[in-house]
Amino acid sequence: EIVLTQSPGTLSLSPGERATLSCRASQSVSNSYLAWYQQKPGQAPRLLIYGASSRATGIPDRFSGSGSGTDFTLTISRLEPEDFAVYYCQQYGSSPLFTFGPGTKVDIK
Amino acid sequence: EVQLLESGGGLVQPGGSLRLSCAASGLTFSNYAMSWVRQAPGKGLEWVSAISSSGSGTYYAESVKGRFTISRDNSKNTLFLQMNSLRAEDTAVYYCARWYSHYFDYWGQGTLVTVSS
Repeated sequence: EIVLTQSPGTLSLSPGERATLSCRASQSVSNSYLAWYQQKPGQAPRLLIYGASSRATGIPDRFSGSGSGTDFTLTISRLEPEDFAVYYCQQYGSSPLFTFGPGTKVDIK
Repeated sequence: EVQLLESGGGLVQPGGSLRLSCAASGLTFSNYAMSWVRQAPGKGLEWVSAISSSGSGTYYAESVKGRFTISRDNSKNTLFLQMNSLRAEDTAVYYCARWYSHYFDYWGQGTLVTVSS
C-alpha cells in the first residue's frame, strides 16, 4: 500500500507570497499518476493538477505541479486571497486503488 | 455543465443500513467510471469505492469491503452506494465523483451520513 505524506501540515503565508507544498509517497507512483486538489470549508474538493504537472481546465497558471517517483510539489507562485484552503495530493494505481494524503492547510499569516 | 447530486444521507443507528444515490447530468454517464469518496468531520479525504463505466468492475477500500456495495443504473444516470453494517467510523460526508484516468475531475456537493445511537 502506498502511503502519501504531505508537508508542512500548515503553511502560514501572506497574499502575494509563494507557497510550496510537498507530497511524498512511500513507494514510487507509477506513470506520475499524482493529482492535487483544493478544498475550501463547506465545499467539495476541486481538481487542480493531474499527471503530476498538468493543470486542470480553468485553473490559473499561478498553480503548478512538479515531481516524479516519490517526491511531488505543488507551487502557488503568488497567493491570492481565494487560495487560502486545504490542499490534498492523491495517487492512483496500487492497492488501494486511490490514496489521498492528509492535506496541507494554507492559511493567512 | 456536469452536475452530480448526492442524496440519501441521514442519521442511522450502528449496524443499520443506508443507500446513497448520485444523480448525474451534463455528461454521457455510461461512458465514465465513477467513485465515492468520503470525509469524516474535520478530517481528510478517504476513497471508498469505484465502479467501471459498464458496472462490470467494482473496487473497494479495505475499510468498507464486504459491507458496502457500489452499483449504477446507466439508463437512469444514477450511481448508488449500499451501506450495510454501519459503524460510528463511517460517519462522514460522502461525495460522488467522476473517475477520469487517474483522478476525479467532477465532484458532487456531498451528503452527510451520521452513524449514532
